[in-house]
Amino acid sequence: SQQGEEDPQALSIQEGENATMNCSYKTSINNLQWYRQNSGRGLVHLILIRSNEREKHSGRLRVTLDTSKKSSSLLITASRAADTASYFCATRGANSKLTFGKGITLSVRP
Amino acid sequence: NAGVTQTPKFQVLKTGQSMTLQCAQDMNHNSMYWYRQDPGMGLRLIYYSASEGTTDKGEVPNGYNVSRLNKREFSLRLESAAPSQTSVYFCASISTLSYNEQFFGPGTRLTVL
Repeated sequence: SQQGEEDPQALSIQEGENATMNCSYKTSINNLQWYRQNSGRGLVHLILIRSNEREKHSGRLRVTLDTSKKSSSLLITASRAADTASYFCATRGANSKLTFGKGITLSVRP
Repeated sequence: NAGVTQTPKFQVLKTGQSMTLQCAQDMNHNSMYWYRQDPGMGLRLIYYSASEGTTDKGEVPNGYNVSRLNKREFSLRLESAAPSQTSVYFCASISTLSYNEQFFGPGTRLTVL
């Protein structure tokens, strides 16, 4: 069963707006990662945040982690049409496996 | 440096037929994974190989077998395909030095009639 649950399931915004996506999980983690999947392609790693970190930035991406609430958020600032994709959160626990959520479909309108 | 490659890209099978999906990585990664992706279900782990010579079941292993042929290659076999195995299959690998970024192949779209 999925560890991560993303919210919302679908998001539609105008180019230039910010997009915020949330992820909740159930058990303790070593790290949480966000991936992007363009239509018909494999997943591409975006950013990783460790369990002892609260916030991380990478270009237009900002990820936060609240281990007390078992939740994370991904913010994409100044969105572009090219950001249109599905976004997945994935958690890594004590073993070597990543557990993925069901994904969020982001549409950025030009 | 090709990363993770998968063959074939597309495949149509009849119920009961068998086939093997091939995966190879050239990043010297120890761990490799097979996932299936279905609409509304996200990615589900079928089997994984933490290191050469070892394989373990994931969340949905029934109907599948795997072989870790060497460090580079990890194949997924469907012995008797069923319509419920219609899906997109992704192979992935990761370095056990960091357990950070997981690298994915482009996927195999399989239809079982």
